[in-house]
Amino acid sequence: DSGVTQTPKHLITATGQRVTLRCSPRSGDLSVYWYQQSLDQGLQFLIQYYNGEERAKGNILERFSAQQFPDLHSELNLSSLELGDSALYFCASSIPRDNEQFFGPGTRLTVL
Amino acid sequence: GQNIDQPTEMTATEGAIVQINCTYQTSGFNGLFWYQQHAGEAPTFLSYNVLDGLEEKGRFSSFLSRSKGYSYLLLKELQMKDSASYLCAVWDNYGQNFVFGPGTRLSVLP
Repeated sequence: DSGVTQTPKHLITATGQRVTLRCSPRSGDLSVYWYQQSLDQGLQFLIQYYNGEERAKGNILERFSAQQFPDLHSELNLSSLELGDSALYFCASSIPRDNEQFFGPGTRLTVL
Repeated sequence: GQNIDQPTEMTATEGAIVQINCTYQTSGFNGLFWYQQHAGEAPTFLSYNVLDGLEEKGRFSSFLSRSKGYSYLLLKELQMKDSASYLCAVWDNYGQNFVFGPGTRLSVLP
């Protein structure tokens, strides 16, 4: 158990819909990272937040957005869902000035 | 652009040593990471290299040569539980982006 929690564990929805994935980092971790992992694309970095501010932006689509709240939990919003958005979405956290990221168990999103 | 290459699959025997190579091309290198991922599970951090040389951590070691754009992960005294995918990732300071390789699936046989 890494100490990072993600909800829900599984999510099944339809094309065109919008969903929100939630992540609670380990106690004391200020950075939160979001990743997408699909079979054909491997692990893709989406976005990083540090203490509420966006720090780095990777391959995140415009239909996706994220935020980190004052209590440091983070949400990833996915809208206008397409079949190709079906994937495992991981959240990870780390403490300041540390390169080790701790991954949550992931949310498996299925878009039908 | 950014590109990371790793072998797709490797097989080794329990108790042996295996080396998983990773080559990368990136515009603003600022560190290389190795992660282990068992099927159906989240990745777990193994190592981080930002300077040239070898970093040793128990049975696992990671090497980096920045001039060659090359790294390897060395696993000694292989155990069955080491059967997993090993992901090489580079932090690109220019693009402010983590770039992951496709992963190497390692099978450890008895």
